[in-house]
Amino acid sequence: QVQLAQSGAEVKKPGASVKVSCKASGYTVTSSDIHWVRQAPGQGLEWMGWMNPNGGHTGYAQKFQGRVTMTRNTSINTAYMELSSLRSEDSAVYYCARDYYDSRGHNSFDIWGQGTMVTVSS
Amino acid sequence: DIQMTQSPSSLSASIGDRVTITCRASQSIGNYLNWYQQKPGRAPKPLIYAASTLQSGVPSRFSGSGSGTDFTLTITSLQPEDFATYYCQQSYIIPRTFGQGTKLDIK
Repeated sequence: QVQLAQSGAEVKKPGASVKVSCKASGYTVTSSDIHWVRQAPGQGLEWMGWMNPNGGHTGYAQKFQGRVTMTRNTSINTAYMELSSLRSEDSAVYYCARDYYDSRGHNSFDIWGQGTMVTVSS
Repeated sequence: DIQMTQSPSSLSASIGDRVTITCRASQSIGNYLNWYQQKPGRAPKPLIYAASTLQSGVPSRFSGSGSGTDFTLTITSLQPEDFATYYCQQSYIIPRTFGQGTKLDIK
């Protein structure tokens, strides 16, 4: 069964960093890009960035440039998202998602992790 | 960045109703438009990609249409499990922007 399993909830103080993991099973993480999306309480979905786990290439939303880093460890089929200089507005559920392309070149996020709640509070 | 605007933001309907949600892109995106369903406390579930192609396992009462800048998601004969929030997303370019969501609840 193809799935993405994320690490557990985190509570961090303002100014700290958080690193969320996303472990792929049922497929090889290097075969598809991984995107990260977050959702603040009661709010909509916000795209944060993407990573190609094969080559390690990344692209980040301008809003997070300089604060977010997406990496991977192919030996354990896992992707990571690290967000630094946390502030209260970063309290949200963070999701990883697989970007799947069909034979026509159309793509969508077909597999999502279960989400990781990050709470930033002093 | 491409802005995605959904309407309405919320919608009340009854079991068995037909509902339509619209999504407009700020520039042409061809048919690179996806729809997701999200229930409280759950990750989004993919429904439709390429504007009109149902994801595997999605009931046929869901359908999508449109191209360019204007798209619709239609649900015929609403079922209890369909009450959720729906998001559109463009997959034309990075950043992969989402609409603000449409909350569908029971009248």
